[in-house]
Amino acid sequence: GENVEQHPSTLSVQEGDSAVIKCTYSDSASNYFPWYKQELGKGPQLIIDIRSNVGEKKDQRIAVTLNKTAKHFSLHITETQPEDSAVYFCAASLPGTGNQFYFGTGTSLTVIP
Amino acid sequence: GAVVSQHPSRVICKSGTSVKIECRSLDFQATTMFWYRQFPKKSLMLMATSNEGSKATYEQGVEKDKFLINHASLTLSTLTVTSAHPEDSSFYICSATDLTSGGLNEQFFGPGTRLTVL
Repeated sequence: GENVEQHPSTLSVQEGDSAVIKCTYSDSASNYFPWYKQELGKGPQLIIDIRSNVGEKKDQRIAVTLNKTAKHFSLHITETQPEDSAVYFCAASLPGTGNQFYFGTGTSLTVIP
Repeated sequence: GAVVSQHPSRVICKSGTSVKIECRSLDFQATTMFWYRQFPKKSLMLMATSNEGSKATYEQGVEKDKFLINHASLTLSTLTVTSAHPEDSSFYICSATDLTSGGLNEQFFGPGTRLTVL
């Protein structure tokens, strides 16, 4: 099956700086890569996603890049704000698995005011 | 985006009792629902996948007789924790997807249910 690794596990940045979280996956057939933000005591919320036919996607301060050759994808948050503090999870999805997700281990992001 | 609700959001029960958690897709038909369990500061652990009208598929190590899953309609799936014990205390999260929606892959997550077994 698919194996997703996520780094770093914790990340602290100063407000206004950028944050980058990286994930690698093992199965080259994976074709969908979402990123979720989870606040304490709440369910995950989709913040951005990318499909295997695209190399980069941007939505305001958030961007995701995908390198299919190296099998890794990254989340980039620019101009970080305290409200960006949360746990972020990456995931990968394989075709033919009924939309099953393989999650990374999560990154706890703290934005210091 | 699509909305998924869970009820209850929190439940406290005595050891030995059963607890039912509901997961509803509010504005779309969910052909498939997933149930996850999450321990503090850990990732989501997939427990089972349920397709409407058929038996759930459980992940290795998850007791199907302990965690009963029913997906009787395209908008509702339930997870029943039978004879709950303190070690079942956890955060349970459902997600829903529509496999007929033109090949899109998204899963829409509910807000989670915090179960505490005394």
